[in-house]
Amino acid sequence: DTAVSQTPKYLVTQMGNDKSIKCEQNLGHDTMYWYKQDSKKFLKIMFSYNNKELIINETVPNRFSPKSPDKAHLNLHINSLELGDSAVYFCASSQGLPNTGELFFGEGSRLTVL
Amino acid sequence: AQSVAQPEDQVNVAEGNPLTVKCTYSVSGNPYLFWYVQYPNRGLQFLLKYITGDNLVKGSYGFEAEFNKSQTSFHLKKPSALVSDSALYFCAVRDMNSGGYQKVTFGIGTKLQVIP
Repeated sequence: DTAVSQTPKYLVTQMGNDKSIKCEQNLGHDTMYWYKQDSKKFLKIMFSYNNKELIINETVPNRFSPKSPDKAHLNLHINSLELGDSAVYFCASSQGLPNTGELFFGEGSRLTVL
Repeated sequence: AQSVAQPEDQVNVAEGNPLTVKCTYSVSGNPYLFWYVQYPNRGLQFLLKYITGDNLVKGSYGFEAEFNKSQTSFHLKKPSALVSDSALYFCAVRDMNSGGYQKVTFGIGTKLQVIP
């Protein structure tokens, strides 16, 4: 069983379109994250939810909107896609408070904006 | 804010030789430090962590890391490199936001190439 699963794995779309990436974890964790990895492999946190509540919201354009329908799911919707949004987006989860910091990552969703 | 630095973009080592991937940290208070590995086209995998206790931390796949407070370093090591260790290695540090929730910040990554 995959612990953290993301869909789709690959996404190719045109500028200006709207797209979503879904994430599910079956680890029973309370906290989920979205990270963006750019072409230079630099990883940056975007958002984090704890038990459906937004707890981290880094400086991300408001075209990006996360949604957590329950603590096992965290989706990412992106409006009006731009070339610079091309990246690999990773979902991750960890235990809630008290937590040890270990993150479990999905396999990533590679977004290519043409 | 807590941060880590990985001074080497790439490390090359011959198979069977010991390897070291460097990481230095800048934190206020006690550091919570981690190493993760990323194989091509895969997600990151946790290797090991330092929270408190012994300065030498053992992790997965035969890796270990040495916490050095005076040098503010947390270098990743392995006594004998394997070709299959070739991957991208990330050092990371845990910070806490005002709500008491963790935020894990990653270094820029070091590509390890083990040469047969």
